[in-house]
Formats: sequence, structure tokens, C-alpha cells
Amino acid sequence: KQEVTQIPAALSVPEGENLVLNCSFTDSAIYNLQWFRQDPGKGLTSLLLIQSSQREQTSGRLNASLDKSSGRSTLYIAASQPGDSATYLCAVSGQAGTALIFGKGTTLSVSS
Amino acid sequence: AAGVIQSPRHLIKEKRETATLKCYPIPRHDTVYWYQQGPGQDPQFLISFYEKMQSDKGSIPDRFSAQQFSDYHSELNMSSLELGDSALYFCASSFARYEQYFGPGTRLTVT
Repeated sequence: KQEVTQIPAALSVPEGENLVLNCSFTDSAIYNLQWFRQDPGKGLTSLLLIQSSQREQTSGRLNASLDKSSGRSTLYIAASQPGDSATYLCAVSGQAGTALIFGKGTTLSVSS
Repeated sequence: AAGVIQSPRHLIKEKRETATLKCYPIPRHDTVYWYQQGPGQDPQFLISFYEKMQSDKGSIPDRFSAQQFSDYHSELNMSSLELGDSALYFCASSFARYEQYFGPGTRLTVT
């Protein structure tokens, strides 16, 4: 059974810092991996999707990498801003069109 | 760009009542997924539909049922509601089983 773990569970940084969020999964046979952002009580915003054949994806200040063989992904956030404060969730799917298995998230707080 | 629409956004029901949640996927998306997120929890997959047929089933209680209609919208029917059913219910849609896009969710409170 696929399990997704995110470390750390919470992170507090001052504005301007670069930071890395970690995601690990137990079964390397994934179809794709998605990173989401969730504000308190709100919906899930997809940030980046990495196909199993890809190594990384970039969007603005965000960069996600995938090492499928070791079961790891990282989300790099450059020059953090207070508006980045949210919970970041990592999720994997085993096959096309199947359920996403989520980690419990990393709650990020960026102070000004 | 059009997004996934869910209605209602908030719903308050009493124990043992029934509730119906609706989801309107992004136009031309052929797959709909339902997830439940309890307080402080990560989203848990309930059920999905591809081209109006059930395609995958997760931890959906027998009290819940769902379907996808000819216009691709989906409804999640929940009966004999329990306090533990209080949660955020998300619908997501995808095209050709690719990236899932999530709706804003329906917050269900059972009293």
C-alpha cells in the first residue's frame, strides 16, 4: 500500500529565505506526482505536476524534483514571501486516472 | 479559465439526515473524483468516474453513493449522516486521466 510522508510537518522562516519541502513515497511505481497548496479551510491549488518520466518541473519561484527510484520529491521555494504561508501537500497516483494518495502536508509560515 | 464548480459550498445537516453534493467538472474533462478531508487530515479518496462509469473506489462508506450524469456532472449522495461525516468534500476533474484539478470544496457540518 502506497504511503506518502512529508517532512517537516511545520516550518517557519523569515521572508526572503529559500526553502525545501520534502516528500517521500514507499512504492516507486508511480504515474505522476503533484504538489498542492492549501490555505486554511480552502480548496487545493495544483502547483506542479511531475510525470514519472520527468526529473523536475518549474513554475516561477517554485521548482519540484522527482527521484522515482529513491521514492523522493522536493519542492524548492525561492525567495519566500508572507503570501507563501499555507499548507503544501504532496500526492502521488499509481496509474493514470487513479486516486491521488496524499501526504499529511507541511505547514509553512513566512514572517515579514 | 473555467474551474471545477461545487455546490453547495456549505451545508449543515443533522444526524441521520441525507445530503447531496454536486460537482460540475471543467468542460471537456472526462473523469471526476471525490475526496473527503476531515479536520486536520489529508484528503482521502472516495470514488471516481470515467466517462460516466465508476472507475475506482476508495474508502467510501456504504451509506454514500455517487454517479456521473450524461452532462458529466457528478453527485455524491450521503445518507444516515453521522457526526464523523463532518468534513470538506472535494471534487476534482481531469482530462484523459491526467492532472487533477480540484474544486473549492463543500464544507459539510453534521450536528
